[in-house]
Amino acid sequence: DQQVKQNSPSLSVQEGRISILNCDYTNSMFDYFLWYKKYPAEGPTFLISISSIKDKNEDGRFTVFLNKSAKHLSLHIVPSQPGDSAVYFCAASAGEETSGSRLTFGEGTQLTVNP
Amino acid sequence: DTGVSQDPRHKITKRGQNVTFRCDPISEHNRLYWYRQTLGQGPEFLTYFQNEAQLEKSRLLSDRFSAERPKGSFSTLEIQRTEQGDSAMYLCASSLALTSGSTDTQYFGPGTRLTVL
Repeated sequence: DQQVKQNSPSLSVQEGRISILNCDYTNSMFDYFLWYKKYPAEGPTFLISISSIKDKNEDGRFTVFLNKSAKHLSLHIVPSQPGDSAVYFCAASAGEETSGSRLTFGEGTQLTVNP
Repeated sequence: DTGVSQDPRHKITKRGQNVTFRCDPISEHNRLYWYRQTLGQGPEFLTYFQNEAQLEKSRLLSDRFSAERPKGSFSTLEIQRTEQGDSAMYLCASSLALTSGSTDTQYFGPGTRLTVL
């Protein structure tokens, strides 16, 4: 039962353009969502998060959008840079009482930003 | 650097051997998590601690796996009688939960890559 899905295994964009990474979830108890970036042979690095009480959160070049009715979130990177090339994971948490703050991850999307 | 550290970074072992991994969390963090990641998949939750108490274990954590956090600081994950299916990246994360029920951002270590021959 894949509760968090990233349907695009890969995405290629040109430097300077916008990268949009998508994530869908099925568990309506999820109330906190995070994006992580992962380089080969390293652990995931936290990028940005959003609580279910918001529909947008912005941090520099990174913006996360949450559409609760569609159970969909997206990460926008503007402008994209070659150093952004990595695997991006979407993760969700259902809160302590429900799931002990465990994170459920998607399968990841490999982003390649071409110079 | 005061991030999460894990040791060793790589471990190669023969089937049937026992292995132990160590995780040192960010010093003021009260929660510590273990995840496992296999190729092409996202990390999967194994277990987590609040201070020294192990509060939740995934059904992925068979009886060959045991985790401890004896003094509420570092943690160890032991796998007994390793099997080839245990080959994976084992990730540790830590977080600071300020109040019960609060959402907390987890910060990950570099992982331990286990290969079981």
